[in-house]
Amino acid sequence: GNSVTQMEGPVTLSEEAFLTINCTYTATGYPSLFWYVQYPGEGLQLLLKATKADDKGSNKGFEATYRKETTSFHLEKGSVQVSDSAVYFCALRRNDYKLSFGAGTTVTVRA
Amino acid sequence: GAGVSQSPSNKVTEKGKDVELRCDPISGHTALYWYRQSLGQGLEFLIYFQGNSAPDKSGLPSDRFSAERTGGSVSTLTIQRTQQEDSAVYLCASSTRTGEETQYFGPGTRLLVL
Repeated sequence: GNSVTQMEGPVTLSEEAFLTINCTYTATGYPSLFWYVQYPGEGLQLLLKATKADDKGSNKGFEATYRKETTSFHLEKGSVQVSDSAVYFCALRRNDYKLSFGAGTTVTVRA
Repeated sequence: GAGVSQSPSNKVTEKGKDVELRCDPISGHTALYWYRQSLGQGLEFLIYFQGNSAPDKSGLPSDRFSAERTGGSVSTLTIQRTQQEDSAVYLCASSTRTGEETQYFGPGTRLLVL
């Protein structure tokens, strides 16, 4: 079946540090891949997505590249801010509508 | 425009009671999804509605769970005879249609069963 594995948190960083959150997936076929973010007290928001191999999704300084050869979709940001403190979820969607989520990674950025 | 809204935002109930959770999707969105976010299971799919088609209930964990969508808009998730393991955040999402469309999530209802 479909599954997503992402690095466990929590992750604590200083402002302007480099952030990487690893995400790997297991799925047959060619899933679409997503990163969702949940800020404190808010609902899940789509951060970025990629729908085919080698696509790069980007938003708010975050990037992730769909790597079919390594079945990965790692999230990166070069210089984090306190406002990036949130829980980040990697997710995949195969050729239907169900999203399969990773366990979530809590990121805390300190000033 | 307005996003997905859910009510109540928090619900505390006693074991054995029934609860109803409400979701108002984004206007014009024909697809509606329920997910559950719990400590032990992470985020899991529960049920999906698309227009007038029969819902996909494959993710409902037991027959105590049911959902309906009236008039193709508002949806209600009902949990009968609640158990402590039902404690979780219940998330609703909607999209313009299925397939490649982005799912937009509501803020969730936090359910605590004592």
